[in-house]
Amino acid sequence: EVQLVETGGGLIQPGGSLRLSCAASGFTVSGNFMSWVRQAPGKGLEWVSIIYNNGSTYYADSVKGRFTISRDHSKNTLYLQMNTLRAEDTAIYHCARVGTYYDPLTGYSPGWFDPWGQGTLVTVSS
Amino acid sequence: EIVLTQSPATLALSPGERATLSCRASQSVSSYLAWYQQKPGQAPRLLIYDASNRATGIPARFSGSGSGTDFTLTISSLEPEDFAVYYCQQRSSWSPLTFGGGTKVEIK
Repeated sequence: EVQLVETGGGLIQPGGSLRLSCAASGFTVSGNFMSWVRQAPGKGLEWVSIIYNNGSTYYADSVKGRFTISRDHSKNTLYLQMNTLRAEDTAIYHCARVGTYYDPLTGYSPGWFDPWGQGTLVTVSS
Repeated sequence: EIVLTQSPATLALSPGERATLSCRASQSVSSYLAWYQQKPGQAPRLLIYDASNRATGIPARFSGSGSGTDFTLTISSLEPEDFAVYYCQQRSSWSPLTFGGGTKVEIK
């Protein structure tokens, strides 16, 4: 069964750091595009970051320079290192596998998020 | 960045009724649009991709249509388990991938 389980959330003071983990089963993290998507309390979905199977990484402008996405092949786990946290980073953070599409001109590009993990809550507050 | 606007924000219907949800893009996304369902306390679930293709295991009462800037998710006859929030997402302009603000389908 394909499954994603996030851990690592919690209450953290502004300016602090936290590392989220996303353990995958039923498929290999390093062989897929993987992403983090967050959802502020009572709000909609916001894409945060993506890592391609070739290791390329991309970030939303709101987290660029503060967050780092990475993976560990041996543990089949995706990570999100979050530094210099702000109140507006408070959200449930979901990891998701990202489907890909191939274009002969541009190569592989990200598509849809499927499946998703249940998420882990990060609260940034003093 | 491509902005997706969903309407209405809330849709109040009874079981058995037809639901029609709209998603409008600020510029053309061709057919590169997906729909997700999210129930309280649960992860989002992919329903439709590439505007009209049902994901694996999604019932036939869910259908998607549209291209360019205007898209529709239709639930032909609402089941009790369909009351949830629905989001659209585009992949045409991949950086960043963007979501709509959501439509809540609630029981009338």
